Amino acid sequence: DTAVSQTPKYLVTQMGNDKSIKCEQNLGHDTMYWYKQDSKKFLKIMFSYNNKELIINETVPNRFSPKSPDKAHLNLHINSLELGDSAVYFCASSQRTGGPQPQHFGDGTRLSIL
Amino acid sequence: AQTVTQSQPEMSVQEAETVTLSCTYDTSESDYYLFWYKQPPSRQMILVIRQEAYKQQNATENRFSVNFQKAAKSFSLKISDSQLGDAAMYFCAYGDGGSQGNLIFGKGTKLSVKP
Repeated sequence: DTAVSQTPKYLVTQMGNDKSIKCEQNLGHDTMYWYKQDSKKFLKIMFSYNNKELIINETVPNRFSPKSPDKAHLNLHINSLELGDSAVYFCASSQRTGGPQPQHFGDGTRLSIL
Repeated sequence: AQTVTQSQPEMSVQEAETVTLSCTYDTSESDYYLFWYKQPPSRQMILVIRQEAYKQQNATENRFSVNFQKAAKSFSLKISDSQLGDAAMYFCAYGDGGSQGNLIFGKGTKLSVKP
């Protein structure tokens, strides 16, 4: 059983479109994250949710909007896609209560903007 | 702000040999955690090993071990008996003990294993 699953794995779309990436975890974790990995492989936190509440919102354009319907899901919606949004987006989850635990990552979504 | 530095963009090791990947970090916190993640070409992020800052003993997981020097803020990864499957990007990551929980990653070291 996949612990953290994100869909789709690949997303190719044109500039200006709106797209969503879905993420689900079946580990019972209370915190979920979105990271962006750029073309140089640098990974950086975008958002973090703890029990459906936003706790981290790094300097990410307003075009990116996370939504957490419940603590097992954290979706990422992106409006008006730009060329610079091309990257691999990783969803992750961890258990925060009792101290930070290792984060479990999804397989990533490669977003390519034409 | 916390930072993580991996000074070796690329490393190479002969199969069955030992290699050490370096990582330094900067923080003013006393309660934190350090991790090494492996990212093979399949792009999965796989946890290799973790170390709690309050533990003096270096963490070990089979062929993987760390040399944690808290005063020097150094956290190197040693891979013994290197195997072809160890070829990957390796990321050092820092996580604080506070409420936020996100990881701060180094820029990664690409490890090649020669047969």
